[in-house]
Amino acid sequence: GAVVSQHPSRVICKSGTSVKIECRSLDFQATTMFWYRQFPKKSLMLMATSNEGSKATYEQGVEKDKFLINHASLTLSTLTVTSAHPEDSSFYICSASFAPSGSNEQFFGPGTRLTVL
Amino acid sequence: GIQVEQSPPDLILQEGANSTLRCNFSDSVNNLQWFHQNPWGQLINLFYIPSGTKQNGRLSATTVATERYSLLYISSSQTTDSGVYFCAVGRGTASKLTFGTGTRLQVTL
Repeated sequence: GAVVSQHPSRVICKSGTSVKIECRSLDFQATTMFWYRQFPKKSLMLMATSNEGSKATYEQGVEKDKFLINHASLTLSTLTVTSAHPEDSSFYICSASFAPSGSNEQFFGPGTRLTVL
Repeated sequence: GIQVEQSPPDLILQEGANSTLRCNFSDSVNNLQWFHQNPWGQLINLFYIPSGTKQNGRLSATTVATERYSLLYISSSQTTDSGVYFCAVGRGTASKLTFGTGTRLQVTL
């Protein structure tokens, strides 16, 4: 149980285009999902917290108009990188909180590697 | 915000050796998780351990919440243990995680 999927796993796009990344909890309902970003050989940095049916909460320094987050259902959150530029190239990872007994343990998707040319 | 530091940053072991990884954090937490990031980037949950001690096979972890640190023990290491180990902590109801700096482990034959 507690499986999280992401799609696509890898995407290459031209500068100026928009890219949508999907994060799904496959076998549980997640009221809260999180989006992280990881640069090569660095740690994960939280970008935003996504709550089903409400606006996402962005971390300081993360442009909400650049990184659009939608959490339309209890099993799906999407991250859209708008007007992508080479500096947006990174590894994007989502997580979902699985709380069957009140714990707040998070489970992570396999990540999406974005390359902007 | 909360600060999370891990040590050592890099570790090279010979297969069969034991090791201890440390995670220090700067404030009280209600979530602490250990992960292994494999070469493809997938984060694998090792332990959810905001306090106490847990064991799973060759791995065990201890969190001393009052002293703000956690330890991950790897015994009889194998080459498949190679990768980066992260601890991450959270506090409050939102429980968003702050990740540590990571320990890069390489196990050689």
